[in-house]
Amino acid sequence: KAGVTQTPRYLIKTRGQQVTLSCSPISGHRSVSWYQQTPGQGLQFLFEYFSETQRNKGNFPGRFSGRQFSNSRSEMNVSTLELGDSALYLCASSLAGQAFNYGYTFGSGTRLTVV
Amino acid sequence: KNEVEQSPQNLTAQEGEFITINCSYSVGISALHWLQQHPGGGIVSLFMLSSGKKKHGRLIATINIQEKHSSLHITASHPRDSAVYICAGSMYSGGGADGLTFGKGTHLIIQP
Repeated sequence: KAGVTQTPRYLIKTRGQQVTLSCSPISGHRSVSWYQQTPGQGLQFLFEYFSETQRNKGNFPGRFSGRQFSNSRSEMNVSTLELGDSALYLCASSLAGQAFNYGYTFGSGTRLTVV
Repeated sequence: KNEVEQSPQNLTAQEGEFITINCSYSVGISALHWLQQHPGGGIVSLFMLSSGKKKHGRLIATINIQEKHSSLHITASHPRDSAVYICAGSMYSGGGADGLTFGKGTHLIIQP
């Protein structure tokens, strides 16, 4: 079955612009979580969506937002880009049932460069 | 202080050696994940543990809930095992999984 698909793979934006990244989870997975990876901070949790609702959010400014659609696809948006937003953005999908922890399947990531 | 600590940060070994990477966590977690990341960024989930031990091929992961400690072992290491290994804890708060808290990763190089 198809894996987690992230688009685009690479993106170059200018400071002050905004960007939208997309993540299509594995069919049947209802949870999508987003992560930022930088050389200095490593991997950090951004937010998690389940059934179109944001259930949890990491310690990031309000410029970072997201949403999930009824087909479980998710988008994240970063407004007013800063140089420090340059990073690899990863999403992961999970079954995320109510009573159990399920494993995560990661996408290949979107590498965002802000210039 | 990071809630998930890994050691060592860097590890270089010879092909065939037995490798151990350690992970300690300071908060209650519902599961501990071991991830592998190769150059280029792709992350593969290796194990998810809530107790005991799991084995897949040459990889073994263990967790001690009382001591809040997990280890990843690689037997008969091979140059293709060279990657960054990351442990991460997931929390469960009744509403479902709450995302992952990551260690800084262990950069493993296996020399032929």
